[in-house]
Amino acid sequence: GAVVSQHPSRVICKSGTSVKIECRSLDFQATTMFWYRQFPKKSLMLMATSNEGSKATYEQGVEKDKFLINHASLTLSTLTVTSAHPEDSSFYICSARKGAEGEFFGPGTRLTVL
Amino acid sequence: QKEVEQNSGPLSVPEGAIASLNCTYSDRGSQSFFWYRQYSGKSPELIMSIYSNGDKEDGRFTAQLNKASQYVSLLIRDSQPSDSATYLCAAVNAGGTSYGKLTFGQGTILTVHP
Repeated sequence: GAVVSQHPSRVICKSGTSVKIECRSLDFQATTMFWYRQFPKKSLMLMATSNEGSKATYEQGVEKDKFLINHASLTLSTLTVTSAHPEDSSFYICSARKGAEGEFFGPGTRLTVL
Repeated sequence: QKEVEQNSGPLSVPEGAIASLNCTYSDRGSQSFFWYRQYSGKSPELIMSIYSNGDKEDGRFTAQLNKASQYVSLLIRDSQPSDSATYLCAAVNAGGTSYGKLTFGQGTILTVHP
């Protein structure tokens, strides 16, 4: 298998603040990681693809200046939600690709913006 | 638009029965397919991958792939109440701007009742 961790698991912040979420592949190296968000009872929505050593590629409609992604090493990608607003409240989930085995998901971060 | 379609259910089966989950995909070039299980409030967990036509068995789970019909299925034998979850079918996109990314179905809600 493969283990992906995320931190924090839950965060509550005030409107206007920035929140950083870390995603780590614990037992494998991942050149590619993905960031998703999920609203209640909805399917996963891909936000961006994080590539180690290069800029992230964002899906259409996702603001790159609002959701900053850094893939600093083969085991760590971070997502920073800048100037968060209540509409950014969601369940954010990262995943890491382990070759042909597939994508393995972190446990998710539940963000609540007051 | 590459699509993965699933019957959203809910699918209800008695404990000990076989649960059959189905999925079709539109990208004929897709080569890799995955089944994820997602419990309410949790992130998806990879349970099966399949790349070749035919069946692949892992414990109580059997994945089936028919590329000619663009059809993927998951059978769960001896269903247990703990199998109650949303099951997501996913295909890796074969080309275009979505190359290498997963496309998810909307998920099938499975309930196994005692």
